[in-house]
Amino acid sequence: NAGVTQTPKFQVLKTGQSMTLQCAQDMNHEYMSWYRQDPGMGLRLIHYSVGAGITDQGEVPNGYNVSRSTTEDFPLRLLSAAPSQTSVYFCASSRMDRTNTGELFFGEGSRLTVL
Amino acid sequence: DAKTTQPPSMDCAEGRAANLPCNHSTISGNEYVYWYRQIHSQGPQYIIHGLKNNETNEMASLIITEDRKSSTLILPHATLRDTAVYYCIVRSGFKAAGNKLTFGGGTRVLVKP
Repeated sequence: NAGVTQTPKFQVLKTGQSMTLQCAQDMNHEYMSWYRQDPGMGLRLIHYSVGAGITDQGEVPNGYNVSRSTTEDFPLRLLSAAPSQTSVYFCASSRMDRTNTGELFFGEGSRLTVL
Repeated sequence: DAKTTQPPSMDCAEGRAANLPCNHSTISGNEYVYWYRQIHSQGPQYIIHGLKNNETNEMASLIITEDRKSSTLILPHATLRDTAVYYCIVRSGFKAAGNKLTFGGGTRVLVKP
């Protein structure tokens, strides 16, 4: 199993450009989410999804869009990149049924720099 | 979900037990205590979780006080590879809204030779 796969691992953007961070998981997890982590800080939740076709906002959703057309994929779109979006982005997934332990499985991260 | 308080940093000697404290004085009856760690810039890794009983797995032990207002994560024989930021998180049980974990600042643990 590959687990949670994020691409790209590194990206440099200019202010105003748009891009999509990809996240895919092969564990058939219903729950998927995106976090961002700024230097020296903890992770903050951007958006999450409890299943295909269902998404909701987290703590810091502004400037980001998500969609969930399949169970496996949960892309994060930056509509018009700003320097404040320079960060490391983590995708995470987990089971949703009542037997789940609440354990989140994280990808390796995507490091984004906006100039 | 209840807020947690952790010391910002601590050192421990290689081969010795590392005891990481966490205060969660506002925890409610159905909230679990979770521990994750983040090594360097990797994605966080689940360590252990518990409700009110002490728990042990191959990575660590979790000791929760009887009043559940604080807990301690124990790494029994710390190695250099245990150097990481450790996050203590409190979360309600099964949620239809999913596993939204709130990460605080964590404790930066440095294991020294």
